[in-house]
Amino acid sequence: AQKVTQAQTEISVVEKEDVTLDCVYETRDTTYYLFWYKQPPSGELVFLIRRNSFDEQNEISGRYSWNFQKSTSSFNFTITASQVVDSAVYFCALSVRVTSYDKVIFGPGTSLSVIP
Amino acid sequence: KAGVTQTPRYLIKTRGQQVTLSCSPISGHRSVSWYQQTPGQGLQFLFEYFSETQRNKGNFPGRFSGRQFSNSRSEMNVSTLELGDSALYLCASSWSSGTPAGNTIYFGEGSWLTVV
Repeated sequence: AQKVTQAQTEISVVEKEDVTLDCVYETRDTTYYLFWYKQPPSGELVFLIRRNSFDEQNEISGRYSWNFQKSTSSFNFTITASQVVDSAVYFCALSVRVTSYDKVIFGPGTSLSVIP
Repeated sequence: KAGVTQTPRYLIKTRGQQVTLSCSPISGHRSVSWYQQTPGQGLQFLFEYFSETQRNKGNFPGRFSGRQFSNSRSEMNVSTLELGDSALYLCASSWSSGTPAGNTIYFGEGSWLTVV
């Protein structure tokens, strides 16, 4: 069975600090996809990044960066110089193929509070 | 390009009533999924539709049902509402050719349902 673990339930940081959100996944599939989403208080989950299992290159997008390590089944997300607008719940998700469709498994989410 | 649109955004219902929520996917997206989000249970998958057919279903009682129309728009219905059905209901859509490929799913803002 597949599983996504986000061990950090809540994180609180002071503005301008760097913060890393952990994501550990479990799957026996060789082909899979990993995602991160941000959910601000308004409710909508905003897509941040998609990674396939064959691409272990780290990704940087502005203040956001992602570290994908297959050896440890982790896909961690780092926010550099955090800002108040980064306060949200962040979800990591795993997508695997099941016959004719994609099965998406979400982690429980990490609630990030950035204090001014 | 318009995003996923959900209506209504907020609603209050009484126990025992039924409710219908509507979702319009991103233009061109043929897959629509529904999720329930509560503080205690996180994001829980309800069901997924593709080309008017339900492809996948989560572990919810039969009171929860859905359908998809030929224009890919989808509705979900909850009958005989219970207090525990109070939640944020999120609709998501993705471009899918019918073959699993880890397509990114994009979420709407959700419908906040309160059952009193």
